[in-house]
Amino acid sequence: EAEVAQSPRYKITEKSQAVAFWCDPISGHATLYWYRQILGQGPELLVQFQDESVVDDSQLPKDRFSAERLKGVDSTLKIQPAELGDSAMYLCASSLGRGMTGELFFGEGSRLTVL
Amino acid sequence: GESVGLHLPTLSVQEGDNSIINCAYSNSASDYFIWYKQESGKGPQFIIDIRSNMDKRQGQRVTVLLNKTVKHLSLQIAATQPGDSAVYFCAENILYNFNKFYFGSGTKLNVKP
Repeated sequence: EAEVAQSPRYKITEKSQAVAFWCDPISGHATLYWYRQILGQGPELLVQFQDESVVDDSQLPKDRFSAERLKGVDSTLKIQPAELGDSAMYLCASSLGRGMTGELFFGEGSRLTVL
Repeated sequence: GESVGLHLPTLSVQEGDNSIINCAYSNSASDYFIWYKQESGKGPQFIIDIRSNMDKRQGQRVTVLLNKTVKHLSLQIAATQPGDSAVYFCAENILYNFNKFYFGSGTKLNVKP
């Protein structure tokens, strides 16, 4: 069964360090999303890609966060420097996109703890 | 941003009873809705979806109802089981707005044996 792959599952880092998360969406899915989920809350969109282009990064703290999807397939989300408030689950999701409404598939997430 | 909210943050039910989880959405232009189940430490899992041209859809033990007049969505789980214990989110999709999905804060379902 096709699934969204994410790594690492868990990351513990000290504040001011750099961290990176990787996501491989379901094959053929044009739209890729990065969400941040704080414990007890719903996912919050950080950045959305259509193929290799960013279509929404309005909620991405661009002074410290960056995201790329260079070839329109897998994607990397980076935080530098990490802050205590960045501790959260980072979820990647994908959908068919290209004008087609359809299910949003999630990966298992990357749990970040900043000490 | 868009607002998708849930009426009850926590719902406790007895095993075997039916559960109803409610969700209010704010954008009347939303095209598509999904209910997700999220177990602790895992990513959200798709449960059931419904398009805006429908008012009811049934799956295995689950039913989603959509009332566009009052912008309300509900998830009904029949014969709730301990394995149903999780947090449930509704998501609202707006296709014209680059296929964005907006999530509420979730309802935690506790199933008592």
